[in-house]
Amino acid sequence: DAGVIQSPRHEVTEMGQEVTLRCKPISGHDYLFWYRQTMMRGLELLIYFNNNVPIDDSGMPEDRFSAKMPNASFSTLKIQPSEPRDSAVYFCASSLTSLTGELFFGEGSRLTVL
Amino acid sequence: GDSVTQMEGPVTLSEEAFLTINCTYTATGYPSLFWYVQYPGEGLQLLLKATKADDKGSNKGFEATYRKETTSFHLEKGSVQVSDSAVYFCALQGGSEKLVFGKGTKLTVNP
Repeated sequence: DAGVIQSPRHEVTEMGQEVTLRCKPISGHDYLFWYRQTMMRGLELLIYFNNNVPIDDSGMPEDRFSAKMPNASFSTLKIQPSEPRDSAVYFCASSLTSLTGELFFGEGSRLTVL
Repeated sequence: GDSVTQMEGPVTLSEEAFLTINCTYTATGYPSLFWYVQYPGEGLQLLLKATKADDKGSNKGFEATYRKETTSFHLEKGSVQVSDSAVYFCALQGGSEKLVFGKGTKLTVNP
């Protein structure tokens, strides 16, 4: 079975450019989570969806960040405009239910903003 | 709010040494507790979990016991291998659907 698939794996862009990160969750999983990982702040939850509906976006840093889930098999995280402080590894994770606490993570998208 | 504190790394051990990574938590109610592992270049994956006090989670030779009286969930392994080199994250799930992660502890095992 395919796991959570993220793209791109690496992205280098210049400040001010728009960045779009993509995620395909495991088929049948109802929950999708976007996390950001940095050395300073560790792993931060940005937003999560249940059945394609955003449930909690309190972790989204500011209006430059937006996330969508147009259907059960696809989600995007967009940063516009990007800034150097957005440089991080962004992980997408999915889970079958919210009750077990078992998340399946993708391999991450490493973003570098120059 | 809910939080997890785990020991600062990095931790460097020789092969076959005993491993302990400390984790304590703050939560209202009775959270479920988890250890996740992140191998280089990969995403996190669940290592073990415990859902109630005195439960012991175990997997791949790793163990952790849910201690309510000390609000702890320390990770242990009796004999580490080079292949155990990774970053280990303690996490909890309290009253909400969200997992709260610690900052991670990097383990390096030398042959």
